[in-house]
Amino acid sequence: DTEVTQTPKHLVMGMTNKKSLKCEQHMGHRAMYWYKQKAKKPPELMFVYSYEKLSINESVPSRFSPECPNSSLLNLHLHALQPEDSALYLCASSQVGVLPDEQYFGPGTRLTVT
Amino acid sequence: GQQVMQIPQYQHVQEGEDFTTYCNSSTTLSNIQWYKQRPGGHPVFLIQLVKSGEVKKQKRLTFQFGEAKKNSSLHITATQTTDVGTYFCAAPAGGTSYGKLTFGQGTILTVHP
Repeated sequence: DTEVTQTPKHLVMGMTNKKSLKCEQHMGHRAMYWYKQKAKKPPELMFVYSYEKLSINESVPSRFSPECPNSSLLNLHLHALQPEDSALYLCASSQVGVLPDEQYFGPGTRLTVT
Repeated sequence: GQQVMQIPQYQHVQEGEDFTTYCNSSTTLSNIQWYKQRPGGHPVFLIQLVKSGEVKKQKRLTFQFGEAKKNSSLHITATQTTDVGTYFCAAPAGGTSYGKLTFGQGTILTVHP
């Protein structure tokens, strides 16, 4: 199974809502990532988890809160978002310390903040 | 921080024409990866180049890594409509930032039938 799954596919939320994005992989990868992507732009790294520990936080606002409950799951909790946070949110996973270490991306959650 | 410059930003070709996108870095890269993102899709890994001067082929796609490991290219021979999408190069940020990739800005390829 070389698939990363993400739910939901689409999400519309108001600025006062709380919602969560979910990501799952069963490839035994020990690194998992959250990216934000705007139209016609490259993916922008938000967080990296390595062996279930947060290893990189790219100065993301606290209204985004990541969580890695176990080696297969990654969540992104959203609270009090702004309209400019509307984007495609991509999850990815990869091996750690072994080449090739390409990242496998999920299909993404398209988020609209109203 | 590390930057990877990718050109061109857009490329429009007639089906059957060739296409090339280039990535350049001011610093030596440990390796470089290439991804393709179809319209409405997500990035899909194409290849990873590690060795200086490396050339790899995948059917009509040819990937090169420069001798100095500061540049790379992706060349598509005789484009098809299925080649449409955005092609990104990406390189490790290095240091202690394991897993962090620096993406090029991408080249958006349009193929006219």
